[in-house]
Amino acid sequence: GENVEQHPSTLSVQEGDSAVIKCTYSDSASNYFPWYKQELGKGPQLIIDIRSNVGEKKDQRIAVTLNKTAKHFSLHITETQPEDSAVYFCAASMGGSYIPTFGRGTSLIVHP
Amino acid sequence: DAGITQSPRHKVTETGTPVTLRCHQTENHRYMYWYRQDPGHGLRLIHYSYGVKDTDKGEVSDGYSVSRSKTEDFLLTLESATSSQTSVYFCAISESSGYNEQFFGPGTRLTVL
Repeated sequence: GENVEQHPSTLSVQEGDSAVIKCTYSDSASNYFPWYKQELGKGPQLIIDIRSNVGEKKDQRIAVTLNKTAKHFSLHITETQPEDSAVYFCAASMGGSYIPTFGRGTSLIVHP
Repeated sequence: DAGITQSPRHKVTETGTPVTLRCHQTENHRYMYWYRQDPGHGLRLIHYSYGVKDTDKGEVSDGYSVSRSKTEDFLLTLESATSSQTSVYFCAISESSGYNEQFFGPGTRLTVL
């Protein structure tokens, strides 16, 4: 089955800095890559996703990039704010009837 | 927010006792999932359902069973709870699998003493 590795496990930045979280996947057939944000005491929530026919996708301060050849994808957050502090999960799926596989999560801490 | 509720939200039980967690949705989504979240392990899929009475195992299904007799309800049962099953359990729903967004419930914190 699919295996998703996520790094780093913890990321500490100063407010206004950029943050980058990286994930690698094992199955070249995977073609859908969502990112979820989990705030303290809540369930994860989708913040952005990308399909394999696209190399990059942006939504305001967040962006996701995908390198199919290297089988890795990344989440970029610019101009970080304290409210960006949360646990972020990447996931990979082969679409269709396949269930996404999640990475182990990154705890992002943004210091004011 | 998607209409997903989990009950109970917190539970403390003793080793060897049976425990049932309930997930209820009002979105009429076809797929429902149970995950457990543990430090250092992220979200791991226990079981999922793709329709009434249609279920399948995830990567950590040992010691758990599920049932779905109605579209809106998905039950997770620990037949004989063990301390290794102390965790936070999340239910999720989606219209379909693959490319569809998963909506997560608020979670149930289970402690097995």
